[in-house]
Amino acid sequence: ETGVTQTPRHLVMGMTNKKSLKCEQHLGHNAMYWYKQSAKKPLELMFVYSLEERVENNSVPSRFSPECPNSSHLFLHLHTLQPEDSALYLCASSQDIGGAYEQYFGPGTRLTVT
Amino acid sequence: GQNIDQPTEMTATEGAIVQINCTYQTSGFNGLFWYQQHAGEAPTFLSYNVLDGLEEKGRFSSFLSRSKGYSYLLLKELQMKDSASYLCAALDSNYQLIWGAGTKLIIKP
Repeated sequence: ETGVTQTPRHLVMGMTNKKSLKCEQHLGHNAMYWYKQSAKKPLELMFVYSLEERVENNSVPSRFSPECPNSSHLFLHLHTLQPEDSALYLCASSQDIGGAYEQYFGPGTRLTVT
Repeated sequence: GQNIDQPTEMTATEGAIVQINCTYQTSGFNGLFWYQQHAGEAPTFLSYNVLDGLEEKGRFSSFLSRSKGYSYLLLKELQMKDSASYLCAALDSNYQLIWGAGTKLIIKP
């Protein structure tokens, strides 16, 4: 079983659509993350959850809405996105936060907004 | 501000050695990570350094100089499968990861 899984792997959506990205970790970790990865740019941390509570929100537009129903699952709800939101969205988990913990990444969702 | 610098792209020959440099400026420092990311795949952990010096792990080694704000990843006996992007990330005083944009390494036969 792969440590961190993400679905879908690819998503094309119009600017008026609503869709959700799903992430699941099978590692028993307490922390989960959403990142945005654009070409030739550093990873942008979007949201951090620790034990299902959001602990970080780095000025992300409200058209991105995270949800963490339990410590194994993380969702990113998308609505009225813009073309510049097209990117690779990566989910990651780590044992905990507040320390030098290795992050385990999922394969990502390649999102295209038309 | 906080910043990580690493070269955008490097090319090397199969069987050779390549060194990928990373310089960082962060508010406090709690260590430096290197990750490998093959095209279309998830980043995977390679190394973590918090003390000065060289740490070796098979064909890959990572070096840190805290006084210079500098790290490098050394890859020996390059193989075609080493073609990937290599991401440098520093942990600041709040244990937040500051990421570089990655170095795309191209290996030629």
